[in-house]
Amino acid sequence: NAGVTQTPKFQVLKTGQSMTLQCAQDMNHNSMYWYRQDPGMGLRLIYYSASEGTTDKGEVPNGYNVSRLNKREFSLRLESAAPSQTSVYFCASSGGTPSEQYFGPGTRLTVT
Amino acid sequence: QKEVEQNSGPLSVPEGAIASLNCTYSDRGSQSFFWYRQYSGKSPELIMFIYSNGDKEDGRFTAQLNKASQYVSLLIRDSQPSDSATYLCAATGAGSYQLTFGKGTKLSVIP
Repeated sequence: NAGVTQTPKFQVLKTGQSMTLQCAQDMNHNSMYWYRQDPGMGLRLIYYSASEGTTDKGEVPNGYNVSRLNKREFSLRLESAAPSQTSVYFCASSGGTPSEQYFGPGTRLTVT
Repeated sequence: QKEVEQNSGPLSVPEGAIASLNCTYSDRGSQSFFWYRQYSGKSPELIMFIYSNGDKEDGRFTAQLNKASQYVSLLIRDSQPSDSATYLCAATGAGSYQLTFGKGTKLSVIP
């Protein structure tokens, strides 16, 4: 049981480039989430998917898109990266109780 | 705007002492509360959750909830150097999928 996995672990982008962060979970959880964590700002929700086939905006969705590919996978796309998107990105999932969330190892993204 | 407030610390306690971490929340509709531990450079790890007023104990950890005062706390008994980490408090409303996190309290346990 790997839990929640994320790829890549590290990424450096130039301003304007695009990329997709991948997340997968093997816990048969219905709900999945994308957060960013910045120094002094704490964890902020970008998007979430309550169940397969649905996605909703969180607190800071601008500049991001998501796809819930299937029950296991939830991807986050940056269409045109900006330096303000430099952050650590965490994916999380939750099962029967929506709020007990379990986190992946994170992706450290730098946009220059 | 739902807010969860924590003292950023650092909170320093000697090994073997009780560490007390506190959290307040602004949304009276919040019903579920969570404590996560995050080691430097690692992801948050769920250590406790509490839904009802009162105390909930799990090993060396005790979570306390007072909904009237909108206050949540985490006590760590017999603190160990391995408990040194940032502790994140989070809250959510009934049936909600969105957790609101505090900015975390950094705990240092001194050997």
